[in-house]
Amino acid sequence: DTVLTQSPALAVSPGERVSISCRASEGVNSYMHWYQQKPGQQPKLLIYKASNLASGVPARFSGSGSGTDFTLTIDPVEADDTATYFCQQSWNDPRTFGGGTKLELK
Amino acid sequence: EVKLQQSGDELVRPGASVKMSCKASGYTFTDYAMHWVKQSPGQGLEWIGTIIPLIDTTSYNQKFKGKATLTADKSSNTAYMELSRLTSEDSAVYYCAMEGYALDYWGQGVMVTVSS
Repeated sequence: DTVLTQSPALAVSPGERVSISCRASEGVNSYMHWYQQKPGQQPKLLIYKASNLASGVPARFSGSGSGTDFTLTIDPVEADDTATYFCQQSWNDPRTFGGGTKLELK
Repeated sequence: EVKLQQSGDELVRPGASVKMSCKASGYTFTDYAMHWVKQSPGQGLEWIGTIIPLIDTTSYNQKFKGKATLTADKSSNTAYMELSRLTSEDSAVYYCAMEGYALDYWGQGVMVTVSS
């Protein structure tokens, strides 16, 4: 299976820029997607196919990368962005998720 | 507005089975694949499998073959997942999710608790 590795947690101040990384154990082309999950809620799609903003998602969110290294950037970070962020690949079978990065605001 | 409404939380005995539903609205049910995802504290998010309602074709994560069975009822726009021979390892929240560009829309989740 394709293993997706994310840093467990990050802490930033509102107004700053934050980058969340996701590294795949094998190439996934551009088929990497990003989700936001707040406590007690279902995941919400933010970015699809590495760099495409999902409908209704603020332009503060952006994605980049291809192959094995991908980044979700939030700029500027707002208080409401406190959540866990997951990457997910759909190039290799089975589809897999990263372990999630918990974003906390200082 | 796309909406995926899942059935209620379940408390089930070890060794039993459970069947949960995911009723879709706001889009043409047969036009999009439906996926199922497990979320547990120890294992994070795991992809279980998918069903293409138009042709009733399924694809499973090898890990969940024999554990999960996916079906769909086109007449009621509802997808189902049955989990069999439940153990404590199956205690988790289970989501259905519609595939557009990725997993674009998610249900609210069903919490399954396996306990005697």
